[in-house]
Amino acid sequence: AQSVTQLGSHVSVSEGALVLLRCNYSSSVPPYLFWYVQYPNQGLQLLLKYTTGATLVKGINGFEAEFKKSETSFHLTKPSAHMSDAAEYFCAVSDHYTDKLIFGTGTRLQVFP
Amino acid sequence: DVKVTQSSRYLVKRTGEKVFLECVQDMDHENMFWYRQDPGLGLRLIYFSYDVKMKEKGDIPEGYSVSREKKERFSLILESASTNQTSMYLCASSPIGYRANSYEQYFGPGTRLTVT
Repeated sequence: AQSVTQLGSHVSVSEGALVLLRCNYSSSVPPYLFWYVQYPNQGLQLLLKYTTGATLVKGINGFEAEFKKSETSFHLTKPSAHMSDAAEYFCAVSDHYTDKLIFGTGTRLQVFP
Repeated sequence: DVKVTQSSRYLVKRTGEKVFLECVQDMDHENMFWYRQDPGLGLRLIYFSYDVKMKEKGDIPEGYSVSREKKERFSLILESASTNQTSMYLCASSPIGYRANSYEQYFGPGTRLTVT
């Protein structure tokens, strides 16, 4: 069965610093992987997704993630944090048999001036 | 743009009331989902519907039921609301994965339900 682990429920960075949010998955089939962002009192918005092909995926707002099959990881990075990046971030893996997504428990990113 | 709308952003109900949460999507998606979101627990799937009148239990269906009479509308029903159902409820929709070569789900803005 598929599962997702997000290491660190809270991450704090200074404005301008590197953002690294960790995600590890398990999947019995080639996975489709997703990062979603949730701003306060809003729904989830897709940041980026990996389906097939290039393992480095670029998303909105300067975020990117790299699919590493050998490490079963899909970590999210951004070179320089901005105050507006403060939000909760969810990693998800697809269940190809049922069309469901399996979500991690989320990482709350705080950005300090 | 895909649009998923939910009937209320904030809702306050009393214990024992019957509560209806409505979700509508405008992209002709086959799949629709109801999640609840609680701090530290992430998103947990309550129910899933893959076609009109078809439904499947998710991870936490107890205390909830659903209705899908039309393709674009998916309703979540709390038959007798309890305080432990106070939560954020999120609706999502998606096309059939293998046909669209995408399992991306599109989310509504959420309904924050408080049961007192």
